[in-house]
Amino acid sequence: GAVVSQHPSRVICKSGTSVKIECRSLDFQATTMFWYRQFPKQSLMLMATSNEGSKATYEQGVEKDKFLINHASLTLSTLTVTSAHPEDSSFYICSASGQVTTYGYTFGSGTRLTVV
Amino acid sequence: AQKVTQAQTEISVVEKEDVTLDCVYETRDTTYYLFWYKQPPSGELVFLIRRNSFDEQNEISGRYSWNFQKSTSSFNFTITASQVVDSAVYFCALSAGTASKLTFGTGTRLQVTL
Repeated sequence: GAVVSQHPSRVICKSGTSVKIECRSLDFQATTMFWYRQFPKQSLMLMATSNEGSKATYEQGVEKDKFLINHASLTLSTLTVTSAHPEDSSFYICSASGQVTTYGYTFGSGTRLTVV
Repeated sequence: AQKVTQAQTEISVVEKEDVTLDCVYETRDTTYYLFWYKQPPSGELVFLIRRNSFDEQNEISGRYSWNFQKSTSSFNFTITASQVVDSAVYFCALSAGTASKLTFGTGTRLQVTL
């Protein structure tokens, strides 16, 4: 139980286009979703926290207009990277928290974004 | 503010050696949770353990063991008889609760060679 599916696992896009990453909790209701970003050989940095039906709370320094987060249902959160640039190339990973997640958090498998 | 420090950036050991990964944390919360995750080259995070602040019992799971000491704000992780498959980046993390964000340390890259 407590599975989170994240898609796509890899995406290559052209500079200036937008990319949507989906994070789905398959067998539980995710009341809170977290989005992290990880540069090569670095740690995971929290970008934003979203609760179902509410606006996401962004961490300092994260552009909310560039990284659009939607948590419209208890099983789906999306991260859209708008007008992507090469510096947005990174590994993005979501995490879901809910009552079923007995140890607290369930992570998606991550999305490797490359902007060319 | 919460902070997690993993002072060891990279560790290299030969298979069958024991290795300890250090983790020191800072928090003002009286209730908090500590985690260890493994991140293999594929990128996914593999949950290893969660410990709450009121449970200082050490834990052993197979070749893995954890030593939690509130007095020194440390939550160290030991792998006994390391194997090549243990090669990965290991992250220590801290949260104030399951609805709260996880604060990750910078990670320790473990390389186990034959």
